[in-house]
Amino acid sequence: EDQVTQSPEALRLQEGESSSLNCSYTVSGLRGLFWYRQDPGKGPEFLFTLYSAGEEKEKERLKATLTKKESFLHITAPKPEDSATYLCAVLAGGTSYGKLTFGQGTILTVHP
Amino acid sequence: EAQVTQNPRYLITVTGKKLTVTCSQNMNHEYMSWYRQDPGLGLRQIYYSMNVEVTDKGDVPEGYKVSRKEKRNFPLILESPSPNQTSLYFCASRFQGVGGYTFGSGTRLTVV
Repeated sequence: EDQVTQSPEALRLQEGESSSLNCSYTVSGLRGLFWYRQDPGKGPEFLFTLYSAGEEKEKERLKATLTKKESFLHITAPKPEDSATYLCAVLAGGTSYGKLTFGQGTILTVHP
Repeated sequence: EAQVTQNPRYLITVTGKKLTVTCSQNMNHEYMSWYRQDPGLGLRQIYYSMNVEVTDKGDVPEGYKVSRKEKRNFPLILESPSPNQTSLYFCASRFQGVGGYTFGSGTRLTVV
């Protein structure tokens, strides 16, 4: 069974204080790992797709990396508007090709 | 504007009264999916569809039905809703191959 575990559950940072969020996964035949941002009461917003170990993607203050067992979302010099829940998800291959499994998310709060 | 549209946004209903939540996408995506989101349980996949007339169960399909008669539409049907189906529901779509899902704005369902 595919599993995705995110840590920490919640993270409080001061503005400008860089940190990382972790996503550990077990999946049969990883087709892709996704990071999403979700604001309260809204649908998840797509951030990145990572396909293979060693791959990195960047967008503004966010950088996602991937190994064979986990992914990290690095947040450099965060601002209060980066406050949100960050979700990690994996897409498996084989017969469950359309099935996307999410982790529980990390609630990030950035204080000014 | 490329989007996934869900209706209604909010719905309060009584136990046993059949209801349908509609979902439509204008991006010509092959894959569509329904998720429910509950506190402490995260996003869980209900059903997904890989194309017209092709659907498969996700992690929590009990009590739900779906149909995919047209490529753009993927309604979620609750034949006899129960209070444990009170949740926030999201529809999502993506292209065939590996890519991120685009999510709708959500439907908050309360069954009393």
